[in-house]
Amino acid sequence: DVKVTQSSRYLVKRTGEKVFLECVQDMDHENMFWYRQDPGLGLRLIYFSYDVKMKEKGDIPEGYSVSREKKERFSLILESASTNQTSMYLCASASSGQGSNEQFFGPGTRLTVL
Amino acid sequence: DAKTTQPPSMDCAEGRAANLPCNHSTISGNEYVYWYRQIHSQGPQYIIHGLKNNETNEMASLIITEDRKSSTLILPHATLRDTAVYYCIVQDRFYNQGGKLIFGQGTELSVKP
Repeated sequence: DVKVTQSSRYLVKRTGEKVFLECVQDMDHENMFWYRQDPGLGLRLIYFSYDVKMKEKGDIPEGYSVSREKKERFSLILESASTNQTSMYLCASASSGQGSNEQFFGPGTRLTVL
Repeated sequence: DAKTTQPPSMDCAEGRAANLPCNHSTISGNEYVYWYRQIHSQGPQYIIHGLKNNETNEMASLIITEDRKSSTLILPHATLRDTAVYYCIVQDRFYNQGGKLIFGQGTELSVKP
């Protein structure tokens, strides 16, 4: 079974802190994604990566950065956390190429910024 | 913007078939139809996908109209554990980088005893 794991299930941080959210997948997938999910807004894509050291902005990249130093690991960084970044963060991975490319999601990290 | 339209909520009796509709009238010939679901407090889970033929797997069936402008996800014998938000998504089959999914609001399915 494909496994996508996230470093924390719940996280509480203070405004201004630097926050790292880690995601690891074990299926050798090329593509990895970070989403956030908020009530009434659904899932929104923050960043994605299609290869090591490659990254692309999603729909809402402001206030976030990412790092992909190894194929299996994709990190989301909040340089200076703010209260409006309180949210559920979801990581996903998928293989690349033509055809079906279902995304496999992790369990999510619920981040609260005080 | 999401390319699909789904009803916000539906109810289904346990043991009956749940039929979840989705409109995707602007779908192009290169785009697949994907279905995911999200059970409360969990990450989304892939269910099924199709291009133009009907598809069936152990979880569900997908019926795509001949003009591909709409589809229906069928859960043949819904159980209480099928209570979730169901997302219908279209995605370009020829992407080779990224291939981001655009999630709409989905349909909240409640399976009742």
